[in-house]
Amino acid sequence: DAGITQSPRHKVTETGTPVTLRCHQTENHRYMYWYRQDPGHGLRLIHYSYGVKDTDKGEVSDGYSVSRSKTEDFLLTLESATSSQTSVYFCASGRRGLNNEQFFGPGTRLTVL
Amino acid sequence: QQPVQSPQAVILREGEDAVINCSSSKALYSVHWYRQKHGEAPVFLMILLKGGEQKGHEKISASFNEKKQQSSLYLTASQLSYSGTYFCGTEMENGSEKLVFGKGMKLTVNP
Repeated sequence: DAGITQSPRHKVTETGTPVTLRCHQTENHRYMYWYRQDPGHGLRLIHYSYGVKDTDKGEVSDGYSVSRSKTEDFLLTLESATSSQTSVYFCASGRRGLNNEQFFGPGTRLTVL
Repeated sequence: QQPVQSPQAVILREGEDAVINCSSSKALYSVHWYRQKHGEAPVFLMILLKGGEQKGHEKISASFNEKKQQSSLYLTASQLSYSGTYFCGTEMENGSEKLVFGKGMKLTVNP
């Protein structure tokens, strides 16, 4: 299994505060992704990265920013958290190739009060 | 743009078969299938590329109908371990490097 970790695993915060979630992978994968998962919506892409300092928006990027200064780290920042951003956040990494498989991290459960 | 999965939920007895469908209104380059067990991360099952190739994984196989932009996942002789939520992820024909996932199909396999 790909080594991909997320921190923190759980976080409770208040509306209006900034929050940063970290994703770390040890597989030297070029591509990294941030998803949110909500009941009835499945997995929705927030942002993704196709290389160091190369990022692009996904379907639900409003209110989120990302940064990737090293291959192994991909940070997701909620600039001013809102209750609608309460969700489970998954990070994934992968490489382009025959399988294009994405390896998912264990997830971060974020609650915004 | 989100693919539509059907059915939304299925309950089976061990040993029964199931089919999960994934349809898109857009031309697809590939369809990916993932399974997620409760409280865990999604895990890759297989990828179907444009061209209608059918792939298999243990007793799980899948097909991709390019004309209909539809993929189907076939679960044969289901086992208790097959329980979970199955997601299809679609990649648009332009090779956009990102997947759009369906809402998932919850499968429960009972003894």
